[in-house]
Amino acid sequence: SQQGEEDPQALSIQEGENATMNCSYKTSINNLQWYRQNSGRGLVHLILIRSNEREKHSGRLRVTLDTSKKSSSLLITASRAADTASYFCASNSNSGYALNFGKGTSLLVTP
Amino acid sequence: DGGITQSPKYLFRKEGQNVTLSCEQNLNHDAMYWYRQDPGQGLRLIYYSQIVNDFQKGDIAEGYSVSREKKESFPLTVTSAQKNPTAFYLCASKGTSNYNEQFFGPGTRLTVL
Repeated sequence: SQQGEEDPQALSIQEGENATMNCSYKTSINNLQWYRQNSGRGLVHLILIRSNEREKHSGRLRVTLDTSKKSSSLLITASRAADTASYFCASNSNSGYALNFGKGTSLLVTP
Repeated sequence: DGGITQSPKYLFRKEGQNVTLSCEQNLNHDAMYWYRQDPGQGLRLIYYSQIVNDFQKGDIAEGYSVSREKKESFPLTVTSAQKNPTAFYLCASKGTSNYNEQFFGPGTRLTVL
């Protein structure tokens, strides 16, 4: 099965800085989604980008998708301590019924 | 409130015992999923169900079993055949479109003593 891979595995920044996380996947997709997980909790959906879209915004989040490189990036602008969490990309193939999750990026935002 | 719930939050099991994790949703979603998460790792799919009375194996189904007798419920049984069951288990549900997001429960942390 295809697997997304996030990069970097861990990221530490200060409040107010921007955080960029990257994700790569292996096969053709229908859409790609980003999720957030606070420690010991379930995942929360952040944003979905379709395969025919190149960029999408939601509040302080900006997601890009490059299907030719099979990669996506998540940018969190003006980060806050409350953004501290793990972030996962998940790809949904054209024929699949389930998402394929990467291993995640652990983000630490210090005050 | 609409949502997806899992119980219990923490579960301890002795080796050789079967244990069942509960997952309930009132979102009227047809699809439900079980994932396993190990420390510092992503989610791995155990089983999924697209409709009542039907379910499919995921990537790591060995040692697990499920049932889908009701739309709202998708319990997971961790059997004694699962050699390394200590993990964080997450249940999710989703609407029918491929563009729907998955909604996750709060998770159950299973520890085998």
